[in-house]
Amino acid sequence: EIVLTQFPGTLSLSPGERATLSCRASQSVSSSYLAWYQQKPGQAPRLLMYGASGRAAGIPDRFSGSGSGTDFTLTISRLEPEDFAVYYCQQYHSSSLTFGGGTKVEIK
Amino acid sequence: QVQLEQSAAEVKKPGASVKVSCKASGYTFTSYGIGWVRQAPGQALECMGWISTYNGYTNYGQRLQGRVTMTTAKSTSTAYMELRSLTSDDTAVYYCASCSSANCQYSHFEHWGQGTLVTVSS
Repeated sequence: EIVLTQFPGTLSLSPGERATLSCRASQSVSSSYLAWYQQKPGQAPRLLMYGASGRAAGIPDRFSGSGSGTDFTLTISRLEPEDFAVYYCQQYHSSSLTFGGGTKVEIK
Repeated sequence: QVQLEQSAAEVKKPGASVKVSCKASGYTFTSYGIGWVRQAPGQALECMGWISTYNGYTNYGQRLQGRVTMTTAKSTSTAYMELRSLTSDDTAVYYCASCSSANCQYSHFEHWGQGTLVTVSS
């Protein structure tokens, strides 16, 4: 099973600042089979990015993804009030799909 | 539009079983697989496994092997997840999610149900 480690666990930032979230895989995730989800309290997760850098429908362009192999990054260029949430990465390289432990982006 | 409507919250006693349903609408059911993800209170997401809605192939998470069964009913575009021998550690919100292909391998989760809270308590 591929283990995903997300860091930092919590990111304290102000609106308008840049957020950089990391996700590291225990083995290589080929063809960038890596997705990112956003989850707000009491809500289901929402797909943000797939294929490491592809934005899902309706996702604003302040969200971007990058990376390959074992290291991936989600960047939010300028935080809006609605972006404060928990973010999860997920790999679908293997048939056993796994999520990372999440990064909480909170208001500083 | 794509919708996944899940069954209502359940309260179960330890040792019992629970079966959660997920009714899909807005697309051809057999075109996209269904995955099941759970989230214990204050914890991260955990993928329980997935089922191909096309041929019924299943892939279960290692931790739940032997206790979980995923099925579908094509006639009603509904997926089911049954979890047996419940303990308090199974208290969680259970989500269904549609995969981006019929086989969830090499597939992310496109759309999500609203979640079903399962509480296990004596």
